[in-house]
Amino acid sequence: QQQVKQSPQSLIVQKGGISIINCAYENTAFDYFPWYQQFPGKGPALLIAIRPDVSEKKEGRFTISFNKSAKQFSLHIMDSQPGDSATYFCAARVLRTGKLSFGAGTTVTVRA
Amino acid sequence: DAGITQSPRHKVTETGTPVTLRCHQTENHRYMYWYRQDPGHGLRLIHYSYGVKDTDKGEVSDGYSVSRSKTEDFLLTLESATSSQTSVYFCAISPGQRRADTQYFGPGTRLTVL
Repeated sequence: QQQVKQSPQSLIVQKGGISIINCAYENTAFDYFPWYQQFPGKGPALLIAIRPDVSEKKEGRFTISFNKSAKQFSLHIMDSQPGDSATYFCAARVLRTGKLSFGAGTTVTVRA
Repeated sequence: DAGITQSPRHKVTETGTPVTLRCHQTENHRYMYWYRQDPGHGLRLIHYSYGVKDTDKGEVSDGYSVSRSKTEDFLLTLESATSSQTSVYFCAISPGQRRADTQYFGPGTRLTVL
């Protein structure tokens, strides 16, 4: 049973548009929420991460919004570019361990 | 890929045969992980290691074993491969278990069990 539920499975956005990916969890033992980006044929790479005591974190065009009471968090990609076309995974880390639970992934396609 | 190599990168094998995948790191990180990636499931932790000869199970450990005799090498063994173990396997490394300790992933091994 997937501990982190991610949606949508895929999305297509025009260049310059906003991509939004949502994740939800139930386990209150999660204490860290990273997002990974994966290009075809490559391993996932850390994109951005947030702690549960922060409601928003922004790095360049990428923003995480975190709602602790709703147990939901989301990734916003602003001004989407063709180079952002990749699969994005949300994840959650179990408190004081290195164990990550991943969402199923969202394939983002940015059309030029 | 942060000083991580996986071998082989591709393997095709038959049901019932043993298979060993190797992860090698040059970062001297303490923690190493094996994940499998399947469509619709994301990445799932198979086993991990928190030091030489120290390993523990992840969420999908049945049918897999691991060994770590040196800091730099973490081996994943399928004792008797089954078709359900067809997957892409990723190794990851991390210096610690603090929030700031990122997991860095290798390039992956695509395994097909016929």
